[in-house]
Amino acid sequence: SQQGEEDPQALSIQEGENATMNCSYKTSINNLQWYRQNSGRGLVHLILIRSNEREKHSGRLRVTLDTSKKSSSLLITASRAADTASYFCATVETNAGKSTFGDGTTLTVKP
Amino acid sequence: GAVVSQHPSWVICKSGTSVKIECRSLDFQATTMFWYRQFPKQSLMLMATSNEGSKATYEQGVEKDKFLINHASLTLSTLTVTSAHPEDSSFYICSATSPLAKEPNEQFFGPGTRLTVL
Repeated sequence: SQQGEEDPQALSIQEGENATMNCSYKTSINNLQWYRQNSGRGLVHLILIRSNEREKHSGRLRVTLDTSKKSSSLLITASRAADTASYFCATVETNAGKSTFGDGTTLTVKP
Repeated sequence: GAVVSQHPSWVICKSGTSVKIECRSLDFQATTMFWYRQFPKQSLMLMATSNEGSKATYEQGVEKDKFLINHASLTLSTLTVTSAHPEDSSFYICSATSPLAKEPNEQFFGPGTRLTVL
């Protein structure tokens, strides 16, 4: 199976609720990044967390990284309808420049 | 800074024709560019890694004779889909690394090109 698996595949919540998405990977990494993609559009970079970091915040986003479990989570607090999109994690493997993307989580925030 | 553009943003072509997609780094020199393909409701799959002045490195299962990649300058990489068929219809996205990036191996993504082969 591919590097970078995410769960859930789809998540539907009400506006104001928090959304949590998880990502697991298999190899040693330099960093892990989270991206957002609106339907039919390009990628928007959200946040990068280095392999020696455990948690990072950016606005309503909180990312954690557990290298011992090879997993990461993205938390969006106080969600808005405009947060509706697909979210992907991507890992950059140690000693490799390329990114490998997870399967993605489709988030729907109902107004 | 670190803006990547793609042209065209969308293209429709007939089966059997070839299509060229351009990826440009607008305000930086990109030593390495990556090409991804994304089918509907799926994730991005890396097709190839392109280094300026050298041959591209293709991922397993990607036909190098069908997907021609040219990285002729530090700001331009092109992907040509030769003899396109309907199964090549997809969203093609490029990315580039910049020596000025804050993080090593940080990639900057283009907006993507939607290819539809009739």
